[in-house]
Amino acid sequence: DGGITQSPKYLFRKEGQNVTLSCEQNLNHDAMYWYRQDPGQGLRLIYYSQIVNDFQKGDIAEGYSVSREKKESFPLTVTSAQKNPTAFYLCASNLKAGSNQPQHFGDGTRLSIL
Amino acid sequence: AQSVTQLDSHVSVSEGTPVLLRCNYSSSYSPSLFWYVQHPNKGLQLLLKYTSAATLVKGINGFEAEFKKSETSFHLTKPSAHMSDAAEYFCVVSALNTGFQKLVFGTGTRLLVSP
Repeated sequence: DGGITQSPKYLFRKEGQNVTLSCEQNLNHDAMYWYRQDPGQGLRLIYYSQIVNDFQKGDIAEGYSVSREKKESFPLTVTSAQKNPTAFYLCASNLKAGSNQPQHFGDGTRLSIL
Repeated sequence: AQSVTQLDSHVSVSEGTPVLLRCNYSSSYSPSLFWYVQHPNKGLQLLLKYTSAATLVKGINGFEAEFKKSETSFHLTKPSAHMSDAAEYFCVVSALNTGFQKLVFGTGTRLLVSP
């Protein structure tokens, strides 16, 4: 079955450490997105990519970085510059960035500080 | 600018009774609207979508929503709640912004279902 796979499910970060969250999709979607979810809030957009080798900042990009070297993969790095990284991170994709087709979501990665 | 307000942070129902989750939106043009459901420690699953076709939209698991432009509302309903419906529900408005789909999320409504 096609879908989005996020790994790991749980991740712990030490002070001053960068960590990378994996997102892989086999839906043949062009557009991919990273969101952050905090308790009692809706999802907020970190980065998005409309096509391979292109990505743009979302609403809360500071302290994060991404790459899009392959269509299937959109990894997110949480850098040491992100002072409050504890959250639930969700990756999503849809067929074309400029469409109103629904976004499909992975099962998320929960990041905590040690 | 687009925005979404979910009017209740928590809704409690008994199994077998109707469900109503309320959502109001603001949009400068005709919006696309979605309802997503999230079970604990899981991603979001699409329940239904409105994209300017029929105003009454049927979704999965017996849920439906009615788009009311005059009231700027998109409330989610289900005639009879099931225990498995207990989850968090998000109302979402879509804005096509500079060529990409920007989703604006409500803050969520937690549905509690008691036996």
